[in-house]
Amino acid sequence: QVQLLESGPGPLKPSETLSLTCTVSGGSIDGGTNYWTWIRQRPGQGLEWIGYIYNTGSAHYNPTLKSRINMSGETSKSRLSLTLTSVTAADTAVYYCARSKSEARGVIDSWGQGTLVTVSS
Amino acid sequence: IVMTQSPDSLAVSLGERATINCKSSQTVTQSSSAMSNLTWYQQKPGQPPKLLIYWASTRQSGVPDRFVGSGSGSDFTLTISSLQVEDVAVYFCQQYFTTPWTFGQGTRVDIK
Repeated sequence: QVQLLESGPGPLKPSETLSLTCTVSGGSIDGGTNYWTWIRQRPGQGLEWIGYIYNTGSAHYNPTLKSRINMSGETSKSRLSLTLTSVTAADTAVYYCARSKSEARGVIDSWGQGTLVTVSS
Repeated sequence: IVMTQSPDSLAVSLGERATINCKSSQTVTQSSSAMSNLTWYQQKPGQPPKLLIYWASTRQSGVPDRFVGSGSGSDFTLTISSLQVEDVAVYFCQQYFTTPWTFGQGTRVDIK
């Protein structure tokens, strides 16, 4: 059973950079069998796919966020990272780290508890 | 692909049927296999979403059989055949036919 634990910063101000990490246990972050996915949920709203990374070095991003995102993985620490630059209030959301298996890419069967990121001046 | 759910909310008596609809702006069914790249999630307050159904109709392990997914093409349905107290939640559909993966806006299910 894979487990995911997100950690993030305190409140951010507009134009700052958001950096989140996700520690993975019970599953390999390299090897290509899992697509490690980031999803966010604005307060009281729906879900937005941010992107995924696989094999720690290959990533695919949502075009609406692509210019501001970077995802990476650190195999030795079983840790995933998400960076989002030039944040605004619209980036205030709960950010989830999640897993999708390669045999059913897009089916998200494991989720972290999420971490709330607040952007405010 | 835009996913639109209806209704936005519904209230059903305990033991009665709840039906949630999900419509995609284009087909999410593979022509080669007839498999539909459509999932359903359940989200309770303060919790992450939980996978209920994938490939439009396959229940995730451990999900009660009162949850039934159906549909193809661009029209899908999640049916809760006999609503239980623990089913009070928000339900989302999601397509994974193409990136960006997209979700419906959610349907809130309450007890009448």
